[in-house]
Amino acid sequence: EDQVTQSPEALRLQEGESSSLNCSYTVSGLRGLFWYRQDPGKGPEFLFTLYSAGEEKEKERLKATLTKKESFLHITAPKPEDSATYLCAVQDLMNRDDKIIFGKGTRLHILP
Amino acid sequence: DTGVSQDPRHKITKRGQNVTFRCDPISEHNRLYWYRQTLGQGPEFLTYFQNEAQLEKSRLLSDRFSAERPKGSFSTLEIQRTEQGDSAMYLCASSFALAGVETQYFGPGTRLLVL
Repeated sequence: EDQVTQSPEALRLQEGESSSLNCSYTVSGLRGLFWYRQDPGKGPEFLFTLYSAGEEKEKERLKATLTKKESFLHITAPKPEDSATYLCAVQDLMNRDDKIIFGKGTRLHILP
Repeated sequence: DTGVSQDPRHKITKRGQNVTFRCDPISEHNRLYWYRQTLGQGPEFLTYFQNEAQLEKSRLLSDRFSAERPKGSFSTLEIQRTEQGDSAMYLCASSFALAGVETQYFGPGTRLLVL
């Protein structure tokens, strides 16, 4: 069964303190791995799609990387506005319904 | 591109009542998904449509739930005889799928509270 595990569950950082969020996944075959940002009471906002091991993508202070078993979301010099829940999700090649499986997310809080 | 929209944004109802939610996807997208999210959890897949055809339903979707996408554009999700356990955020997402990976874009969600 497909699984996505995110760690840590919550993370508090000082403004400017860089860190990484982890997403471990188990799928029969990876079609794609997705990172979303979700603010309280809102829908997930798309950040990145990664397709194959070794791939990296960047957007402002965020960089996502992918290996065969996990993905990292690196946050460099974060600002208070980066505070949100970050969700990781995977799409399995073997699932005929094309659904994506989400982890529970990492709640990130950046202190000014 | 106005994004995915959902209506209403909030709904409070009494146990046993029926509720209906609407989702308007991004206009050129051919796939539409419904998810449910409870506090502290990631979204869970409920069902999806390709154009007007409903292709898959999760085991989470009991007989009280029904979804339609009559003309391959907007979709509705109806919950009959609501229960307190139905309280959650209901999310809609849309994508354009041809082959390979598709990216799903989410709406703002409808938060349901069943009293």
